[in-house]
Amino acid sequence: SQQGEEDPQALSIQEGENATMNCSYKTSINNLQWYRQNSGRGLVHLILIRSNEREKHSGRLRVTLDTSKKSSSLLITASRAADTASYFCATGTGANSKLTFGKGITLSVRP
Amino acid sequence: EAGVAQSPRYKIIEKRQSVAFWCNPISGHATLYWYQQILGQGPKLLIQFQNNGVVDDSQLPKDRFSAERLKGVDSTLKIQPAKLEDSAVYLCASSLIDSNSPLHFGNGTRLTVT
Repeated sequence: SQQGEEDPQALSIQEGENATMNCSYKTSINNLQWYRQNSGRGLVHLILIRSNEREKHSGRLRVTLDTSKKSSSLLITASRAADTASYFCATGTGANSKLTFGKGITLSVRP
Repeated sequence: EAGVAQSPRYKIIEKRQSVAFWCNPISGHATLYWYQQILGQGPKLLIQFQNNGVVDDSQLPKDRFSAERLKGVDSTLKIQPAKLEDSAVYLCASSLIDSNSPLHFGNGTRLTVT
């Protein structure tokens, strides 16, 4: 069953613009992770935020977590054509932090 | 460091046949995962090993799917017999400790069942 639900399902922006993707979930989590997947490839880990953290940065990426609203957002600043990919949020729950993925967001960055 | 290795890259079989996938995780990673990703969907966890013990196999269709992790290192996932709905990409991943650390994915095996 899906735990994280991403929004929007698809996003198309111009190179240089910022891209904001959202993820909502239903149950308490230990951590929330964002991954990127290029066509025909495996997933690549972008950033992990723990349930007691509110914001993390990594290069052009900024992730926020609001546990009261059970939601997270991923912001990619100054997007590039190479950022074109599918993005997934995944929630870690339970004693073993079982990781459950959402359906993903398709991001297209136009040159 | 070398990444997660998977083989084969592609496999086409007829329904009711059997198939096996192989995965070699990153050296030193304790936890190994098999995910199934159907086209247009997110990955679904099939089985999670920590060292050579099973941590979670609640979504593994045990009547047809089996997996083992030999000596706590590489792993095989088998489907016997395959059904049309098993057509998907099978992704192997590993992490240093558990899912509280980042997962490193292989490029997957794309299975087509005809």
